[in-house]
Order: sequence, then structure tokens, then C-alpha cells
Amino acid sequence: DTGVSQNPRHKITKRGQNVTFRCDPISEHNRLYWYRQTLGQGPEFLTYFQNEAQLEKSRLLSDRFSAERPKGSFSTLEIQRTEQGDSAMYLCASSLGLTGSDTQYFGPGTRLTVL
Amino acid sequence: DQQVKQNSPSLSVQEGRISILNCDYTNSMFDYFLWYKKYPAEGPTFLISISSIKDKNEDGRFTVFLNKSAKHLSLHIVPSQPGDSAVYFCAASAGTNAGKSTFGDGTTLTVKP
Repeated sequence: DTGVSQNPRHKITKRGQNVTFRCDPISEHNRLYWYRQTLGQGPEFLTYFQNEAQLEKSRLLSDRFSAERPKGSFSTLEIQRTEQGDSAMYLCASSLGLTGSDTQYFGPGTRLTVL
Repeated sequence: DQQVKQNSPSLSVQEGRISILNCDYTNSMFDYFLWYKKYPAEGPTFLISISSIKDKNEDGRFTVFLNKSAKHLSLHIVPSQPGDSAVYFCAASAGTNAGKSTFGDGTTLTVKP
């Protein structure tokens, strides 16, 4: 399967713990995005990378959140000191980065539950 | 301020009939629009897209129409099939920031056999 993969698919953690999610994009895609989705809403943009450079971060991304994409391949999203409000589906997407016609392809997501 | 709006949370149609899903946007900088389909416990799957230089794009049973003056787009599915039952998201991006997409809250389509 050459699509976007995410691990783990589900994560249950206690409030205050740190969690890390991994995303492996489609191999030829140089852009990688993180979104968060809560029930009844569409995906909300968090951050994106062009190769290994993090180009934009949403104001939704508090200082407890950090994302990396070493070597421009896979990416990790870490949430420190989790709060119950962090419970959501975290989606990763990748794209070729084409100006004016860029299509993002999504992974299956990681569902985080903070108890 | 929600820049992409899908005002109908749900839509129910009979198998074989046409499904029309609507989407409105407010940001005039948006120049690329996409529709995604999402099944429960899965990520959104790309369905069809349209650039602002066009007013229609067709792919099999799916057609997207864009009305730039009204800042409105719609997705037509014909004929509708039970397997089309899913949540449909409209998304938009601005060419100057290729790829970062703003999503609507989705419309749940139910196609009844």
C-alpha cells in the first residue's frame, strides 16, 4: 500500500501524559500536513512541512504541541501534558505541493482519547 | 469566522436519484476546491476537485460546479448508490499557499436502497 500511513490508530492516555504520533507520507510527496478533527466538524489545519522545513503553524497549535519532519520523510506530532480537550482525531496528509492545484491525500488518522 | 460552509448537515436521497451537496465560501483568494468523502473510522478520501479557471469538472458519476460570482460550489452525484453513503467535506485552498486547505463541517449523505 503506497498511501499515507499513521501510527498508532488509537491512543488512550491519562491527562498530563505525553503522546507521540507518527505519519508516513506518500513517498514522492514533499509536503506534509497535520490536521485535527473533532466530532461534527471538518478537519482543522495545525501545521505543514515543505520537505523538512515547518512553514506554517496554526494558532490552534499551542506550545504543548510540537511537530517534526526529520530528513523530509516521516513526521511526528508530539503533545505534551495532554488535556481532555486534546481528545480528537489527528489526521496527516501529504501532497506534491503544486501551486493552484494541490491535492492532499489523507491517512486513516490517529484517534486520541485523554481520560 | 468560518470561511467554508456546508449549510446542510444531512441529506437523504433514493438510490438512482441525483444527490446535490452544496458549499459556500467567503474568501475570494480561494482558487482551488476539493470534495472529500469520509467513512467512519477512516481519513477523508479525495473525490474530485476544480480549479477556479473552470466552472465544471466531471469524473464518472461525480460532477463539481463552481460559481465564482456567488462563491458557491456544488457536488452532483448521479445516479446515487447506497455505497455513496458517507460524510462529504468541501475544502478550499489559495494558490499563494498551495495545499493548506480550509474545510467545511461536512454533509452526511444517506442513499436509501
